[in-house]
Amino acid sequence: NAGVTQTPKFQVLKTGQSMTLQCAQDMNHEYMSWYRQDPGMGLRLIHYSVGAGITDQGEVPNGYNVSRSTTEDFPLRLLSAAPSQTSVYFCASSYLFGVNGYTFGSGTRLTVV
Amino acid sequence: KNEVEQSPQNLTAQEGEFITINCSYSVGISALHWLQQHPGGGIVSLFMLSSGKKKHGRLIATINIQEKHSSLHITASHPRDSAVYICAVSSLMYSGGGADGLTFGKGTHLIIQP
Repeated sequence: NAGVTQTPKFQVLKTGQSMTLQCAQDMNHEYMSWYRQDPGMGLRLIHYSVGAGITDQGEVPNGYNVSRSTTEDFPLRLLSAAPSQTSVYFCASSYLFGVNGYTFGSGTRLTVV
Repeated sequence: KNEVEQSPQNLTAQEGEFITINCSYSVGISALHWLQQHPGGGIVSLFMLSSGKKKHGRLIATINIQEKHSSLHITASHPRDSAVYICAVSSLMYSGGGADGLTFGKGTHLIIQP
């Protein structure tokens, strides 16, 4: 099925550990992005990409790295997890300028202890 | 940076009632999106609109560009409509330097009681 696939769905990390959240889409979308969702706040943009080899920072980029080596994949890396990164993470993709809307992944619930 | 405000934050209604959720934003946009998120679930796009009105089943979305305001209506509400409804706006164009993508409201938590 066409869409955005996020893995894992759940993850518990210890402070200081590293991990990569995976995001893949099969719709040939140029634009991919990562958001975090915290209680009482709207989703906030972490990083985004408008095509392979191009990434840029969003509203809350500190503590996260991204890369876009292919059109399909946009992994999010936590180099040294902190409790403040406990959140639900969503990946989304679209054609440029959001033409035809955005498709979201099912989310990753991350807990850092 | 666009500011997106939704009201109400929480809404409890009886099955069958007509529901209205409001969204206002502060600066010009290319499009406004209504999203639905069930508890513990993913986010589903309901509507994307840049003018006028769209209808899908019992859901209706309207936007007034001059007033920077949009509404989401649910007719003949049902308990399965219980979810968080999120308004989001997308910027006018990819600037190459600034943050692109969606700016989200905090969501409206809707509960429809049988």
